[in-house]
Amino acid sequence: QVQLVESGGGVVQPGRSLRLSCAASGFTFNTYGMHWVRQAPGKGLEWVALIWYDENNKYSADSVKGRFTISRDNSKNTLYLQMNSLRAEDTALYYCARAGTPYGAGQSPFDFWGQGTLVTVSS
Amino acid sequence: QSALTQPASVSGSPGQSITISCTGTSSDVGGYNYVSWYQQHPGKVPKLMIYNVVARPSGVSNRFSGSKSGNTASLTVSGLQAEDEADYYCSSFTSSSTWVFGGGTKLTVL
Repeated sequence: QVQLVESGGGVVQPGRSLRLSCAASGFTFNTYGMHWVRQAPGKGLEWVALIWYDENNKYSADSVKGRFTISRDNSKNTLYLQMNSLRAEDTALYYCARAGTPYGAGQSPFDFWGQGTLVTVSS
Repeated sequence: QSALTQPASVSGSPGQSITISCTGTSSDVGGYNYVSWYQQHPGKVPKLMIYNVVARPSGVSNRFSGSKSGNTASLTVSGLQAEDEADYYCSSFTSSSTWVFGGGTKLTVL
């Protein structure tokens, strides 16, 4: 069965960096695009970034552009989110989610989600 | 990348039908048939309920249906049940090859 397990969250000071990981299993990882989606405490969902199955295309939300970088290691079945210059408004539960069609061009819905990892940016 | 517009809350009695709207622009909802809907119960992970405007994943009740007209997509829940009480989010692919979510709608079953 599809499993996505996020890790790497924690408490970090403003301006510092953090790298999140998402370990995938139960499907052929290198054939699916992957997303990061976040949810601030008590707030709605916010799309963060997308990486295609072959790493050739990456997209991110304006709110994180230039600060966050999505990447993947298909040999390790792992998705990453490098977060630099963190701000208080980046405080959220970060989910990784699978784009639901193999070899898709990013238009597929988020069909499986991990449980999330909490990032708290505070001094 | 402005969020899609959803009503903050909707409510209905058991057995009734409700509809949640999701309004965007011609650069997202109106331009593509890549609108999806997610259900999220408190403290739980979002669950895909509708994708590509009208398609239902295996295992999702046929009481849930989707539609779209112009820049507005809609989710209809018929035969409301207590377990349908949750937050619902729409999402759309955009002309920038990114995704955008709506602000979410809290569905209350009276």
